[in-house]
Parts: sequence; C-alpha cells; structure tokens
Amino acid sequence: DGGITQSPKYLFRKEGQNVTLSCEQNLNHDAMYWYRQDPGQGLRLIYYSQIVNDFQKGDIAEGYSVSREKKESFPLTVTSAQKNPTAFYLCASSIYPGAGTEAFFGQGTRLTVV
Amino acid sequence: QKEVEQNSGPLSVPEGAIASLNCTYSDRGSQSFFWYRQYSGKSPELIMSIYSNGDKEDGRFTAQLNKASQYVSLLIRDSQPSDSATYLCAALLSGGYNKLIFGAGTRLAVHP
Repeated sequence: DGGITQSPKYLFRKEGQNVTLSCEQNLNHDAMYWYRQDPGQGLRLIYYSQIVNDFQKGDIAEGYSVSREKKESFPLTVTSAQKNPTAFYLCASSIYPGAGTEAFFGQGTRLTVV
Repeated sequence: QKEVEQNSGPLSVPEGAIASLNCTYSDRGSQSFFWYRQYSGKSPELIMSIYSNGDKEDGRFTAQLNKASQYVSLLIRDSQPSDSATYLCAALLSGGYNKLIFGAGTRLAVHP
C-alpha cells in the first residue's frame, strides 16, 4: 500500500526529554512537511523539505529539528527547548514542491508532556 | 495580516441545504489552493484543489477561485450530517520555497 506512515500514534514525553517523531512515505514524493495542530486551531508549519538533504524553517521552528537524509523519511525531533510541545503533529508530502501539486497527510502523532 | 484567513464558525446549516465556506489569502502570487476536511481527532483529507479562476465541481463540492479578490470558497450542496467537520483552506505560497500554509479552519455543523 502506498501512503504516509507516522509513528508512534501516541507519544508521552517527560519534561526535558528530546523525542523523535517518525514520518515515512513510499509515494516517491519529493516534498515533505511537518505541521503542529493545537486543540481547536489550524495547522502551523514547523519545517518543510523540497528535496533530499535540504529543508527550510516554517513559522514555528523554534524548539524543533529535522533531517532529510533519505527521500522517503523526514523525522521530526521535539527538543527540550520546545516549552509547550503537547499537540497533534501531522506530516504531509506532495509529489514535487511546486504549483499544481496536492499534499496528503499521515495519520498524525499525538504528543503529550507528562 | 495572516497569510490564509477563514471564519472559524461554527457554520450551522440544515440537512439538504448549501453550505458556503470562505477563505481569503494575502500572497497575490499564490497559484494553488486546496480544501481539506478534518474530522475530530483525525488527520486532514483533501477534498478539492483549484488552480485557475472560476469554478471547479466534483460531486456535491464546488470550489471557486477569484485571484483578483484573493478569495477562495467551497460550496457543499445537499449537505449531510456526515459533512459535519472542520474545513481547512490552504494556499501554496509563491516564491522559491513553496510553503503550504493553512487557515485556522471553519467548523461546519449539519443538523437533521
């Protein structure tokens, strides 16, 4: 099955810990995105990548880091510098990073600080 | 000014009516626009994409784009209770880095 797989579905983080959220796609898509969604809010862009070994900060990159070493993988690390990380994290991908392309989402990871 | 703006709602319509959802965007160079539906606790799913001025129809859904007014809308005909969800408008911003930016979403409630 082709698609975007995010894992884990639920994640609990202790104060001061770094955690990494996985996003894998087997759609051969070039562009990948990470968003954060807080309750009752829209999606805010954290990081995005147009091609392997390249990524750009979105609107709320502070406290997060990413890598894009392989085309199919775009992991997001939530560092201890992110003071309020509890949120729903969504990964998306599109075939190429230009006009006329549609982005599709994984099932999301719900992160809770305990 | 937010890059993509939507009325947060809730928009309440009776079953069988037309629901009209609206969105404005600030980047005049944007060329690609999308409507996603998101049920509570789930990830967004793509409903429509639109790239040219005018209307685009797909079943009960019609997307409308007016680039001069920087306005995108989604019409849902014969609304059903199963259409009750949050509808997210998104724009692919112009410039070299192709940021895909979302509005805050409009909650739609279709009541029997």
